[in-house]
Amino acid sequence: NAGVTQTPKFQVLKTGQSMTLQCAQDMNHEYMSWYRQDPGMGLRLIHYSVGAGITDQGEVPNGYNVSRSTTEDFPLRLLSAAPSQTSVYFCASRHTQSTDTQYFGPGTRLTVL
Amino acid sequence: GENVEQHPSTLSVQEGDSAVIKCTYSDSASNYFPWYKQELGKGPQLIIDIRSNVGEKKDQRIAVTLNKTAKHFSLHITETQPEDSAVYFCADYNDYKLSFGAGTTVTVRA
Repeated sequence: NAGVTQTPKFQVLKTGQSMTLQCAQDMNHEYMSWYRQDPGMGLRLIHYSVGAGITDQGEVPNGYNVSRSTTEDFPLRLLSAAPSQTSVYFCASRHTQSTDTQYFGPGTRLTVL
Repeated sequence: GENVEQHPSTLSVQEGDSAVIKCTYSDSASNYFPWYKQELGKGPQLIIDIRSNVGEKKDQRIAVTLNKTAKHFSLHITETQPEDSAVYFCADYNDYKLSFGAGTTVTVRA
């Protein structure tokens, strides 16, 4: 299994540009989520999904959209990038049961100028 | 995360000594508490977890304790080694979501 994969690894955007961060998992996990990691603030939940066709907001959803058309994929869209969205983004997945291990992808480092 | 406080933010220990990281949570409904280790340039990886019906769990040099009454849980690393240098995150589970602490950067000095 490849586990959780993310593309791209690095990205530089200008303010106002849009882009999609890709996330895929091959473990047949129902639950997928996106976090952002900023210095001194840990990992903050942006959006999550408990299954195909179902998404919900996390702690910091503003400026981000998600969709879940398949079990495997959970892309994160930035419609109009802002410097405040400069961060490292992690995708994660697990089976829905609370006590199952959550696996993280390798991350995407995004810089918005 | 908004539910979990983690201390200290940085910790420097001599190789062979112990390291302790403490977390507190606010919601008594939380029932699962994992700990993650993040090495430079990588995503976090689960190293140990504890459920609310257990007070302590050990796995070789690492152990986690949980005090449900006080809403505290802690990570203990004994006989620290250079490869233990990393950022450690605690988390609690509530309502389908894992909420993370701000992280502790552990440096093991040779």
